[in-house]
Amino acid sequence: DTAVSQTPKYLVTQMGNDKSIKCEQNLGHDTMYWYKQDSKKFLKIMFSYNNKELIINETVPNRFSPKSPDKAHLNLHINSLELGDSAVYFCASSQVANTEAFFGQGTRLTVV
Amino acid sequence: GDSVTQMEGPVTLSEEAFLTINCTYTATGYPSLFWYVQYPGEGLQLLLKATKADDKGSNKGFEATYRKETTSFHLEKGSVQVSDSAVYFCALTEGTGGGADGLTFGKGTHLIIQP
Repeated sequence: DTAVSQTPKYLVTQMGNDKSIKCEQNLGHDTMYWYKQDSKKFLKIMFSYNNKELIINETVPNRFSPKSPDKAHLNLHINSLELGDSAVYFCASSQVANTEAFFGQGTRLTVV
Repeated sequence: GDSVTQMEGPVTLSEEAFLTINCTYTATGYPSLFWYVQYPGEGLQLLLKATKADDKGSNKGFEATYRKETTSFHLEKGSVQVSDSAVYFCALTEGTGGGADGLTFGKGTHLIIQP
């Protein structure tokens, strides 16, 4: 069983479109995250979500919004996609906030 | 703010060589420290961790010791294999303030092991 799964694995879309990436964890964890990995492999946290509390990295454009229908899911919605949004996006979860995180396989987003 | 600095890659070694990847950190409190590994085309896997000073994390022949006095968490392995080729990330989390701040990562070190 996959612990943290995200779909799709690859996403190619045109500038200006709106897209979503889904994430589900079956570990029973309380906290979920979204990270962005750029072309140089640098990883940066975008959001964390814990008990309905959302923490947003101040550098993330407001075109990005996480949605959590329940504790096991944290989806990422992106509006008006830009070329610079091309990256690999990773979902992750942890049992308790600020402990080790378990990562999904990543979604490679390409904006053309 | 918190930061993690690790040696730039790529690091190229021959099979069975000794590996060290340096990692130092800056944090305001008492962070937990981690090494993650990313194989090509895959997500990040936790390799090892240490949660307090002088703790040693170990897994799959890799080791790292939490050194508070030098704010370091260097990754070592006595004899590397071709299958160890991957990108290695040092990371920390503070666990303070009640918020879920997540992990702060270093820039990653690409390790290439040649047969």
